[in-house]
Amino acid sequence: GQNIDQPTEMTATEGAIVQINCTYQTSGFNGLFWYQQHAGEAPTFLSYNVLDGLEEKGRFSSFLSRSKGYSYLLLKELQMKDSASYLCAVRGGIISGNTPLVFGKGTRLSVIA
Amino acid sequence: DADVTQTPRNRITKTGKRIMLECSQTKGHDRMYWYRQDPGLGLRLIYYSFDVKDINKGEISDGYSVSRQAQAKFSLSLESAIPNQTALYFCATSDSASQGGQETQYFGPGTRLLVL
Repeated sequence: GQNIDQPTEMTATEGAIVQINCTYQTSGFNGLFWYQQHAGEAPTFLSYNVLDGLEEKGRFSSFLSRSKGYSYLLLKELQMKDSASYLCAVRGGIISGNTPLVFGKGTRLSVIA
Repeated sequence: DADVTQTPRNRITKTGKRIMLECSQTKGHDRMYWYRQDPGLGLRLIYYSFDVKDINKGEISDGYSVSRQAQAKFSLSLESAIPNQTALYFCATSDSASQGGQETQYFGPGTRLLVL
């Protein structure tokens, strides 16, 4: 089976830094994705990790440790528009590319002034 | 124009009715997916198709059926709608030939379905 855990809700202050954690247990591993989803809208792709380490993209960074089944999304210089749900998704499977993404339930981030 | 479109965007129907949700894409991707999203439950996979002749059940396929009419079109049907199928439905696509094997999934805007 596959299981992906992330906190349900978080609150952070405008201008601050927030870290959203994700732990996963899957049969095989072929990459981890983070998506952003504003209320009532489609999820949009943020980042991808397949090797251990940190991937940085502007104000957003994502980290992966495959041995620990752990990832985090780091958001810096928070802005009000960053208030959204953040979805962790994993592609499991033994053969790369043969399985769809499995999503966690998402972390709803509220940015306050 | 949007790369992945879904019709209708909103639908209200009654218990027992048959309805179809449609998804079209201009991204040229070979793989397509249907998910539903419910508050507190996240995105759950209903069906997916890796090419026109390939259909696979996802985590929650009971009560649903799909048709891949062409590479660009993937429809989801509810044969006899029931109230607990009220949800937000998303179509997604991906390209199996993505560089580096990343194969990001891209989502349509969603269809909000209410079954009375």
